[in-house]
Amino acid sequence: EIVLTQSPATLSLSPGERATLSCRASQSVSSYLAWYQQKPGQAPRLLIYDASNRATGIPARFSGSGSGTDFTLTISSLEPEDFAVYYCQQRGNWPPAFGGGTKVEIK
Amino acid sequence: QVQLVESGGGVVQPGRSLRLSCAASGFTLSNYAVHWVRQAPGKGLEWVAVLWYDGSNTYYADSVRGRFTVSRDISKNTLYLQMNNLRAGDTAVYYCARDREGLVDFLFDQWGQGTLVTVSS
Repeated sequence: EIVLTQSPATLSLSPGERATLSCRASQSVSSYLAWYQQKPGQAPRLLIYDASNRATGIPARFSGSGSGTDFTLTISSLEPEDFAVYYCQQRGNWPPAFGGGTKVEIK
Repeated sequence: QVQLVESGGGVVQPGRSLRLSCAASGFTLSNYAVHWVRQAPGKGLEWVAVLWYDGSNTYYADSVRGRFTVSRDISKNTLYLQMNNLRAGDTAVYYCARDREGLVDFLFDQWGQGTLVTVSS
């Protein structure tokens, strides 16, 4: 069973700054890695799939990269609405699994 | 407009049963696999189960296999999660989430708002 480790657990940044979130898999998931955003009291929202493809309607400031075991979600310039928890999810191996999340909070 | 609406959550005693519903609108369940994903209070996300778009297969997480059953009623465009022998560890918000059309990709592109299940004596 693959374990996804996200770091850091919390990222304190100001609006306009660049956010870099990491997700590391315990074994290769190829490029089958997705990123979701979740705001308090809301359902998750798909941002990125297959490591680097933005989902429909997702702004260009969100980008993903990586393959194998190391992945990165980058938010180029944080908007006020981007402060949330971000989860990575792998679907390259059974069973599908999520990471523990990174909270991006306002500094 | 694509929408998933869960219902049926509540407080239930350990060992009892509960059935959740997920009503879909704006698309037809027969074209999409739909999953259940849960989130314990203050915790991360856990995939629970999936029903294939053609209804041919179901898969479950080890933590719920043998206790939970996914089914659907195409005429009502509604998915169900029958949960038996509930445990305290099943306490969570349960989301239904849609996969991509015609695929079972374990990629969740539309989510419902969730329904809270609390297992407590």
